[in-house]
Amino acid sequence: DADVTQTPRNRITKTGKRIMLECSQTKGHDRMYWYRQDPGLGLRLIYYSFDVKDINKGEISDGYSVSRQAQAKFSLSLESAIPNQTALYFCATASPATSGGGQFFGPGTRLTVL
Amino acid sequence: GEDVEQSLFLSVREGDSSVINCTYTDSSSTYLYWYKQEPGAGLQLLTYIFSNMDMKQDQRLTVLLNKKDKHLSLRIADTQTGDSAIYFCAESKPTDSWGKLQFGAGTQVVVTP
Repeated sequence: DADVTQTPRNRITKTGKRIMLECSQTKGHDRMYWYRQDPGLGLRLIYYSFDVKDINKGEISDGYSVSRQAQAKFSLSLESAIPNQTALYFCATASPATSGGGQFFGPGTRLTVL
Repeated sequence: GEDVEQSLFLSVREGDSSVINCTYTDSSSTYLYWYKQEPGAGLQLLTYIFSNMDMKQDQRLTVLLNKKDKHLSLRIADTQTGDSAIYFCAESKPTDSWGKLQFGAGTQVVVTP
């Protein structure tokens, strides 16, 4: 089945460590996104990408970086993790030609920074 | 304002209809969406509506759009315990060529037997 997968699903790390979250998709979509979800705050966009040559900052990109290694892969890095980056992280994909451009989400990565 | 607004909580009895409401920000929004998030899972795209429509029905789901009031609603007929989840509305603005979505904070729906 065409899908969006994220690894790892859960991660506990310490302040100052470098962390990479990975996202892969088999939907053939060109657009990919990274969000974080915090209770009561809904979803906030971190970075988004139109294709492998295109990276754009979202509303909360400070402290994060991304890499679009291929059309199907989009990874999120925390260079030096801090406790307020503890959150649920989602990757999403979209295509203008599918479902009105609606985004399809992965299962999420729960990150805890101690 | 800049926010997509939803009520935070809705309790409904099994078998009744649920209505989840949303107020969005931009009358020129092109598409509006409803997502469902179950515990421990990602967001699932339930349905969407193009802005030139005022209603869309898909099995137990009915979406109503009032462009004048910038009001979107999702009606779930014959609500089941499996419908307990958080529901998010989202809008896509024509100025956002990258297809960015603006999400509401979500409505927690609890279905009681």
